Amino acid sequence: GQNIDQPTEMTATEGAIVQINCTYQTSGFNGLFWYQQHAGEAPTFLSYNVLDGLEEKGRFSSFLSRSKGYSYLLLKELQMKDSASYLCAVSLPLSGYALNFGKGTSLLVTP
Amino acid sequence: KAGVTQTPRYLIKTRGQQVTLSCSPISGHRSVSWYQQTPGQGLQFLFEYFSETQRNKGNFPGRFSGRQFSNSRSEMNVSTLELGDSALYLCASSSSQGETQYFGPGTRLLVL
Repeated sequence: GQNIDQPTEMTATEGAIVQINCTYQTSGFNGLFWYQQHAGEAPTFLSYNVLDGLEEKGRFSSFLSRSKGYSYLLLKELQMKDSASYLCAVSLPLSGYALNFGKGTSLLVTP
Repeated sequence: KAGVTQTPRYLIKTRGQQVTLSCSPISGHRSVSWYQQTPGQGLQFLFEYFSETQRNKGNFPGRFSGRQFSNSRSEMNVSTLELGDSALYLCASSSSQGETQYFGPGTRLLVL
């Protein structure tokens, strides 16, 4: 089975840095994805980690530790438009690489 | 390249009816996956098609079915609708299995 946990809500200030954690317990593992979803819109792809370490992409970075079943998404220089839900998803080869999502973290960026 | 498109964007149905949703993947993508998103359960995997074959299926009742055509376009069908089927249905495409999935805008279904 699989269990993917992330905080339900977070609040941060414009210009600050925020880290959104994701832990998972799965049978098999292919990779971990992060998606951003604004209210009423489709999820958009942010990052993909398959090996341990940090992947940096502009203001967004994602980290993975396979041995610990842990990932985080780091958002720097927060902007108001970063207010959204952030979804952690694990790709499982035993399920044909279907994405298994956490419930999402709703991030509110305040002035 | 055009993104994933889904039609219709909104639907209102009544209990017992059936519904068909359509998804056109990104050009060149052959894998199409369907997900249901509800406030309580989040995003849940329905099924995945590749080259007109269903390769994987999530834990949903048989009322949920789908198919894929030779041009990779996909449809999903829900028969005998229940109130609990009200949700956002998202389609995602990828170039092959295990690759990054890109989502369409979704079809919001309301069952009354």
